Amino acid sequence: SQTIHQWPATLVQPVGSPLSLECTVEGTSNPNLYWYRQAAGRGLQLLFYSVGIGQISSEVPQNLSASRPQDRQFILSSKKLLLSDSGFYLCAWTRLGAGSSYEQYFGPGTRLTVT
Amino acid sequence: KQEVTQIPAALSVPEGENLVLNCSFTDSAIYNLQWFRQDPGKGLTSLLLIQSSQREQTSGRLNASLDKSSGRSTLYIAASQPGDSATYLCAGPDSWGKLQFGAGTQVVVTP
Repeated sequence: SQTIHQWPATLVQPVGSPLSLECTVEGTSNPNLYWYRQAAGRGLQLLFYSVGIGQISSEVPQNLSASRPQDRQFILSSKKLLLSDSGFYLCAWTRLGAGSSYEQYFGPGTRLTVT
Repeated sequence: KQEVTQIPAALSVPEGENLVLNCSFTDSAIYNLQWFRQDPGKGLTSLLLIQSSQREQTSGRLNASLDKSSGRSTLYIAASQPGDSATYLCAGPDSWGKLQFGAGTQVVVTP
């Protein structure tokens, strides 16, 4: 069966510090990977998605970036955090293509507080 | 671009009542419609997925319907329990699998 991991689970960082959040998927190959953010009291916003190693598409211009160094690893980064980067970050995966249901599976999330 | 709306934003019912949650979408060329549950501070748990070729899907006390022509999906939860208290989200993917979410319905089931 497939599982998706995210770490850390919680993070408190000062403004201006760097960020690295990691997501890994087990039990599948060549998944599409997604980073979403959920700000307090707001809906889920897609930040980045990736269809393969080294292939990243950005949905929202911001000071965050994403990388996919391995097939089942997705990393969200920032060089300098802003207060507005606080939120709940969720990683997700799906399989596309013929016969796929497009069902999407989510990780447990990382709660980021920028102080 | 797909737009998804959920009504109501919040719902409070006594235990044992049936729950009806509504989801509307603008693009009828939808691949599927997925319903999720989110507990406070937690990730999203997939409840049901209805393929575009299906009209409904059932899992235990949960039943979800899909009407593409009217751009609506409804999630029914029978005989609600306090453990059903959570936020329920619906979402539909585009051709890249990118989900467009509704804002969610926050449900409270009182004992």
